[in-house]
Amino acid sequence: GQQLNQSPQSMFIQEGEDVSMNCTSSSIFNTWLWYKQDPGEGPVLLIALYKAGELTSNGRLTAQFGITRKDSFLNISASIPSDVGIYFCAGQLPNQGGKLIFGQGTELSVKP
Amino acid sequence: GAVVSQHPSRVICKSGTSVKIECRSLDFQATTMFWYRQFPKQSLMLMATSNEGSKATYEQGVEKDKFLINHASLTLSTLTVTSAHPEDSSFYICSASVQDTQYFGPGTRLTVL
Repeated sequence: GQQLNQSPQSMFIQEGEDVSMNCTSSSIFNTWLWYKQDPGEGPVLLIALYKAGELTSNGRLTAQFGITRKDSFLNISASIPSDVGIYFCAGQLPNQGGKLIFGQGTELSVKP
Repeated sequence: GAVVSQHPSRVICKSGTSVKIECRSLDFQATTMFWYRQFPKQSLMLMATSNEGSKATYEQGVEKDKFLINHASLTLSTLTVTSAHPEDSSFYICSASVQDTQYFGPGTRLTVL
C-alpha cells in the first residue's frame, strides 16, 4: 500500500535547539498535515498545507508543502520541554474520500 | 472550534463481550468520520471510513462483522467491537473531517482480559 517515509524516527535535543523532520513519498498528495500526539491522547493538528510550495507557520512551527507534492518538512525553532511528543506527518491522496496516510512518527525528547 | 470527543476514554472488558465506542463532533457537522487503531509505539492505522447515512467502508484486512460502525447523524459515529478478544486490545481513535482536514478525538484505550 501507500507509504510515507518519515525521518528521523527519534530525536534527543537540548532545550533551545531547532528541530527539523521530514516526510517523503513516491506518491503525489493533495494535502499535507502535521500532527502532534502526546501519550494517551489523540493527535492534535499543528499545520495543514494545501498547495505545492506553500510555507506556513504556527508560532515556532514552520512547515512546507514540497514543490513536487511528494514531500513536506516541519521545523520547530527554539524548542521547549513541552514540545516533547510524537510528531506525525499525514498525506491525503487525490480522489480517496479524504483518507489520510500517516508517516511512522518522529519521537521528540527535549532535555531542559 | 473543531472539537471531537470520544466516550469512554478507557474500557476494560472480558473476552467475548462487546464494547461500543462513541465519537462526537461537538461544534461542527461531519458527513465523514474515520476510525483508527494504534498499537504501542506505532503509527495510526485506518480501520474504516464512516459516512453519515450509508455503510462504512472498511480497509483491507479489517473484519466488518467484528468492528461494527454506525454513523446515524452528522455529529455521531459509533464503533462496536463485537466478541472482543485480548488481541483487540488497542488504542482506538476517531476523527471527523471538515473540508478534508481531519480533527481527532482523544482516543479510547480498550483492554480485553
